[in-house]
Amino acid sequence: ETGVTQTPRHLVMGMTNKKSLKCEQHLGHNAMYWYKQSAKKPLELMFVYNFKEQTENNSVPSRFSPECPNSSHLFLHLHTLQPEDSALYLCASSQVIGAGEPCEQYFGPGTRLTVT
Amino acid sequence: EDQVTQSPEALRLQEGESSSLNCSYTVSGLRGLFWYRQDPGKGPEFLFTLYSAGEEKEKERLKATLTKKESFLHITAPKPEDSATYLCAVQSVQGAQKLVFGQGTRLTINP
Repeated sequence: ETGVTQTPRHLVMGMTNKKSLKCEQHLGHNAMYWYKQSAKKPLELMFVYNFKEQTENNSVPSRFSPECPNSSHLFLHLHTLQPEDSALYLCASSQVIGAGEPCEQYFGPGTRLTVT
Repeated sequence: EDQVTQSPEALRLQEGESSSLNCSYTVSGLRGLFWYRQDPGKGPEFLFTLYSAGEEKEKERLKATLTKKESFLHITAPKPEDSATYLCAVQSVQGAQKLVFGQGTRLTINP
């Protein structure tokens, strides 16, 4: 495997279900991210993890729960979602070098989530 | 608040017809501006990072330029395989690792 991988690629779940999205990065990076991409809206940052520690939660509802067991793996646990949560969920990783340096993020293919 | 506006929303060109996409931004202090390409049903693919006004980067038929208020993605003699949505994002000095994205320009190249 190379780059950033995500599973599953497609997920349909009911509002009462619990499911998890998985992301793995094979780039040796030290930071990982979750983004949400809805139709007609820009990508929205959800969570940031640096060296396994959550450093940003962009006012995301508690029905989304991230987990980062190590610097290569990232999960997004989902429970009691709403239909408006249907979107493409993208994982990304980057190598953070220094506080003032720009860091390009590399994205996975995404999980297309449909909440019924 | 950091903001990114891309124009046009959609652009149709004939194969070989050169054009430019615009990314206007407001940011407290620019750490970096990024261009990505996104194909339908896929994640964004990194293209360029620009750091300072006057900088230019090139890759095949694409050239990205940067001023203090906007960036352009110039496409020279495009081919149908250049059809995609092109995304612009900024990273500010205060924003740590957060990228703020524009809504993208959907580019279609007709053969």
